[in-house]
Amino acid sequence: AQSVTQLGSHVSVSEGALVLLRCNYSSSVPPYLFWYVQYPNQGLQLLLKYTTGATLVKGINGFEAEFKKSETSFHLTKPSAHMSDAAEYFCAVRAASKIIFGSGTRLSIRP
Amino acid sequence: DAGVIQSPRHEVTEMGQEVTLRCKPISGHDYLFWYRQTMMRGLELLIYFNNNVPIDDSGMPEDRFSAKMPNASFSTLKIQPSEPRDSAVYFCASSPGQGIYNEQFFGPGTRLTVL
Repeated sequence: AQSVTQLGSHVSVSEGALVLLRCNYSSSVPPYLFWYVQYPNQGLQLLLKYTTGATLVKGINGFEAEFKKSETSFHLTKPSAHMSDAAEYFCAVRAASKIIFGSGTRLSIRP
Repeated sequence: DAGVIQSPRHEVTEMGQEVTLRCKPISGHDYLFWYRQTMMRGLELLIYFNNNVPIDDSGMPEDRFSAKMPNASFSTLKIQPSEPRDSAVYFCASSPGQGIYNEQFFGPGTRLTVL
């Protein structure tokens, strides 16, 4: 069965610091992996996705994620946090005929 | 395009009442999804349609929930009768063709409160 685990329900970083949001997956088929972002009072928006090919995926707003099969991970990073990055971030994995979302990580940015 | 449109944005109702949530997907998108988001359970897929046909409704919690898509530009999610535990934010999302794993475009959600 497919599943996704996000480590840390809340992450706080200083403005300008590295952002690292962790995601581990379980999949019995070659995984398709996604990161979505949800700003307050809004729907989710796709940040980036991995299907096949290059394991380092670049997304919008300076975010990127690396697919590591040996570690079953798909961590999201950004070199320098901005106040506007404060939001909830969801990792997701494809399952049989659907996408399964993780429980989310709330990212806070300290001035 | 205006994006996915949901109405109403907020709904407050009393237990036992019927609730109807509405969604207009992005024009040309073949897939439409209904999700429910709560603090306790996170984001759950309730049902999705492909070309107006329900494909997977295994996430619909019980018979009180029903969803329809009478045409490519409109879908409804109905709860009858509503219960306090149905309080949540309900999202509609749509996706272009080429498979279910394409990017999903979410609406702003409907915040439902059942008293």
